[in-house]
Amino acid sequence: AQSVTQPDIHITVSEGASLELRCNYSYGATPYLFWYVQSPGQGLQLLLKYFSGDTLVQGIKGFEAEFKRSQSSFNLRKPSVHWSDAAEYFCAVGRFLTSGTYKYIFGTGTRLKVLA
Amino acid sequence: GAVVSQHPSWVICKSGTSVKIECRSLDFQATTMFWYRQFPKQSLMLMATSNEGSKATYEQGVEKDKFLINHASLTLSTLTVTSAHPEDSSFYICSAPRRLAGGESEQFFGPGTRLTVL
Repeated sequence: AQSVTQPDIHITVSEGASLELRCNYSYGATPYLFWYVQSPGQGLQLLLKYFSGDTLVQGIKGFEAEFKRSQSSFNLRKPSVHWSDAAEYFCAVGRFLTSGTYKYIFGTGTRLKVLA
Repeated sequence: GAVVSQHPSWVICKSGTSVKIECRSLDFQATTMFWYRQFPKQSLMLMATSNEGSKATYEQGVEKDKFLINHASLTLSTLTVTSAHPEDSSFYICSAPRRLAGGESEQFFGPGTRLTVL
């Protein structure tokens, strides 16, 4: 069965510290992988995605993620966290549809708290 | 960037009544939209795929008679929770894919609608 696991429900880091959010997936075919951020009152915003090619993907807001097929992981990283990064982060696997879009399976999310 | 709106942003209703939630793509057309349900501190669960001009496709376990979806135009999909009960209380989110230059598609999410059924 297809699934996405985010082992950490909550993470707290100090501003300026590095961050890594974990994501593991179970998917039978080549996965299309995404990281989204959800802030209160706003829709989910795409941080980055991996389809193929370079396994280290750069995204917006200074985030990056590394696809490791052998570990079925797609962890999100940021070298220096800002207070504005406090939000809920979702990892997702996308199944490509014939309509040209993706059907997502989301992880349970990781809530990031940033200490001043 | 592309914007998807939802209305209302929150709604409180009495048990047994029906509630309609709108999802609009404001600056692009979407033949397909998606409806999700998010329980507190949990993931987004895909409920159904809304198809413009045809019937919605529901995920396994989602009652189609309970959650009526109408995709009447290329910019509007509606989700109607019929005969709502307290267990239907949740956060409902829609998304719409937009084709980008180069043929890729990116999904844009609405801000969500919080439904509370008393």
